[in-house]
Amino acid sequence: QSALTQPASVSGSPGQSITISCTGTSSDVGSYNLVSWYQQHPGKAPKLMIYEVSKRPSGVSNRFSGSKSGNTASLTISGLQAEDEADYYCCSYAGSSTSNWVFGGGTKLTVL
Amino acid sequence: EVQLVESGGGLVQPGGSLKLSCAASGFTFSGSAMHWVRQASGKGLEWVGRIRSKANSYATAYAASVKGRFTISRDDSKNTAYLQMNSLKTEDTAVYYCTRQGGSWGSHFDYWGQGTLVTVSS
Repeated sequence: QSALTQPASVSGSPGQSITISCTGTSSDVGSYNLVSWYQQHPGKAPKLMIYEVSKRPSGVSNRFSGSKSGNTASLTISGLQAEDEADYYCCSYAGSSTSNWVFGGGTKLTVL
Repeated sequence: EVQLVESGGGLVQPGGSLKLSCAASGFTFSGSAMHWVRQASGKGLEWVGRIRSKANSYATAYAASVKGRFTISRDDSKNTAYLQMNSLKTEDTAVYYCTRQGGSWGSHFDYWGQGTLVTVSS
């Protein structure tokens, strides 16, 4: 099972909005609404930011939103803040006959 | 407060074995599926495998890259999950995280440990 495809890096200025894409296949992203997004600061464990495509866990800012169209999921961060600078990973369920779960390669977000 | 604490990492030679532990607290461990995810230095996250709850027959599943070499188990009486790693390769070098599968649909990983570093080198 190949990793989901994410851009290696994105950047934006404080206050702006950015979108990170996550492209999979009809066997993972396209088949299940079980896409989640994780934020990881250097040297830290990943933190859940979005689950089931567009749901936010308690405590996560409403500046974070998710969506999906076909085989591509997206994470949008609005009103960029300095603390948003981190690596972001998407993840999708890929079915029990394969690797079960597959992650994207990660996107480095730089807040200019 | 939910806590997951991994231990057991270290330096091991290629072909060797290592057993990682993940001690859980703050939630009903016995009812949760537990996963292991790893991250090589400077690289992305890679799903390693999972073990389901007793109600789901402690079913396990593994990534192709570790199948046949790694074994996940759990001891619900100790609120602990384990990752037994055999026939280790240099490419298994990574930080290993344990994580809980959360949500009504088991759709995501809601809590993560701090990770434990495994280095496979001669």
